[in-house]
Amino acid sequence: AQSVSQHNHHVILSEAASLELGCNYSYGGTVNLFWYVQYPGQHLQLLLKYFSGDPLVKGIKGFEAEFIKSKFSFNLRKPSVQWSDTAEYFCAVTGRYGQNFVFGPGTRLSVLP
Amino acid sequence: GAGVSQTPSNKVTEKGKYVELRCDPISGHTALYWYRQSLGQGPEFLIYFQGTGAADDSGLPNDRFFAVRPEGSVSTLKIQRTERGDSAVYLCASSPEGFGAYEQYFGPGTRLTVT
Repeated sequence: AQSVSQHNHHVILSEAASLELGCNYSYGGTVNLFWYVQYPGQHLQLLLKYFSGDPLVKGIKGFEAEFIKSKFSFNLRKPSVQWSDTAEYFCAVTGRYGQNFVFGPGTRLSVLP
Repeated sequence: GAGVSQTPSNKVTEKGKYVELRCDPISGHTALYWYRQSLGQGPEFLIYFQGTGAADDSGLPNDRFFAVRPEGSVSTLKIQRTERGDSAVYLCASSPEGFGAYEQYFGPGTRLTVT
């Protein structure tokens, strides 16, 4: 069965620190990959997505993610976090045609001012 | 323009009762999705509509759960004989086209509590 794991349940950083959130997936075949974010009191929203092409994907608010096929990973990065990045981050995967959409359990990021 | 809206925002019901949860997608979006999110977990896919038809209902946990989208816009998720384990936040999302290439726009969710 398809699955997504996220390495950390809760990450605490100080402002200006660098961020890397791990995501690994188990899926047989071509995948589409996503990172969604949920800020406190707000809806889930898309940060970035990978379908094909350049494995380094840039999203909103300075986030980027790298797809490493050999490692089944899609880690999220940001060079310098801000207090406003405090949120829950979800990695998700689907098959090539969008089937079997699976979310990871989420990583809570707390950024201390 | 308005985003995805869901009503009610909170629903408390007794075990064994029937509930309906409503989703109003973004106007013009043909695809609509339902998810369930339990505390400390990511959203769990339930069902996906393309237009009026359910294109994928493989995530519905059992036959107590049913969803409709009769006119290809508003959708209702129906849960019969509710159980305490059904307590969760039920999320709805819509997108311009089907799964895969298009961003899903999420609503605020309905928090269902079964007592």
